[in-house]
Amino acid sequence: SAVISQKPSRDICQRGTSLTIQCQVDSQVTMMFWYRQQPGQSLTLIATANQGSEATYESGFVIDKFPISRPNLTFSTLTVSNMSPEDSSIYLCSVPITVGGNEQFFGPGTRLTVL
Amino acid sequence: GQSLEQPSEVTAVEGAIVQINCTYQTSGFYGLSWYQQHDGGAPTFLSYNALDGLEETGRFSSFLSRSDSYGYLLLQELQMKDSASYFCAVPRMDSSYKLIFGSGTRLLVRP
Repeated sequence: SAVISQKPSRDICQRGTSLTIQCQVDSQVTMMFWYRQQPGQSLTLIATANQGSEATYESGFVIDKFPISRPNLTFSTLTVSNMSPEDSSIYLCSVPITVGGNEQFFGPGTRLTVL
Repeated sequence: GQSLEQPSEVTAVEGAIVQINCTYQTSGFYGLSWYQQHDGGAPTFLSYNALDGLEETGRFSSFLSRSDSYGYLLLQELQMKDSASYFCAVPRMDSSYKLIFGSGTRLLVRP
């Protein structure tokens, strides 16, 4: 397993502002992922955070809205930019802990409310 | 594409057995995972089936039938703490490290 921490755990923000979420893992990992979970919904992959190169975004998610940094193999940030109420979600980072990725370990999540 | 279907909600009584089904549509298939998520918590991995059959881990078992594109999670001797959402998930064909999650089944265990 892994120990993953996320900051902040929750926040309430005004529309039009930006929030940066941090994800810290207790060991070096090659792959880190960011997911979004809208209220009462399933998890949707936002992007893969790549160390040393730009993040790889999934369909429907763009770098201008969700810039990601990955300065080293234990840390990543996700910024939610120019927020609107539709961005209210739980944002989770995850890392695979088995070869092939079928088992993933998730951080505790950041619960974001945009007013 | 790939998609998964689960019932939205299941209710059962403490001590009973409950089965949560998952059907999937995919052009290729690596295996089926199950995750549990309590309200306000992170998803936690429960099981993974790559081959047909039943995998047992304590009170929880998971079953897969590749020919039927179907799997289920079986929870025995239900406890109140089992009340949570349960998600099935499959790895994407373009990258097995990227998961596609089902819509989730909310399990309510009643006394």
